[in-house]
Amino acid sequence: DTAVSQTPKYLVTQMGNDKSIKCEQNLGHDTMYWYKQDSKKFLKIMFSYNNKELIINETVPNRFSPKSPDKAHLNLHINSLELGDSAVYFCASSQEAGGQYEQYFGPGTRLTVT
Amino acid sequence: AQKITQTQPGMFVQEKEAVTLDCTYDTSDPSYGLFWYKQPSSGEMIFLIYQGSYDQQNATEGRYSLNFQKARKSANLVISASQLGDSAMYFCAMREGSNDYKLSFGAGTTVTVRA
Repeated sequence: DTAVSQTPKYLVTQMGNDKSIKCEQNLGHDTMYWYKQDSKKFLKIMFSYNNKELIINETVPNRFSPKSPDKAHLNLHINSLELGDSAVYFCASSQEAGGQYEQYFGPGTRLTVT
Repeated sequence: AQKITQTQPGMFVQEKEAVTLDCTYDTSDPSYGLFWYKQPSSGEMIFLIYQGSYDQQNATEGRYSLNFQKARKSANLVISASQLGDSAMYFCAMREGSNDYKLSFGAGTTVTVRA
């Protein structure tokens, strides 16, 4: 009964490859997010979708492209992977955007680019 | 400018004692929300407690309480009766405005509970 799930949990790949991370939430939430946690544990927002519409697009290389096929899914596709993309990527969801609604995080995907 | 500042990179606390984790924030928006999350070594992010800028009382959730001092722009987390399972990294985060959707996180504080 995982609320926010991500696949894969671990992803090891070589520079230049293209990879995707999938995220699904079964909470009925309207808003989903992608965060990146770097090696120093610093968390930063990348994207957010509200009802399948992109509402946040932080300064992220355009090699990163989110896709939301429906409210329950928000996938992250990364082209031409670079060493600096190695990090833990967290998907999250909240009942609504803004307000007092907490964000529920997925377990994270540890991406290692070699 | 850093929106959330957590000045304590690491702390040790004795089991059953209380510990206070500092968090200061910077915003000019009168409407904002403050959140605390826990990240154990297993890596998941666990929501602990929320405080809204207009809330009159300090938030509490079980052993967690938030010492909200609006004038000082601080939102310290207090964990009472520490348990070994409280050993983790703790993040303070802020959402500014009623229509801003993203959380801005602090650098985190690692808490180690000693038996």
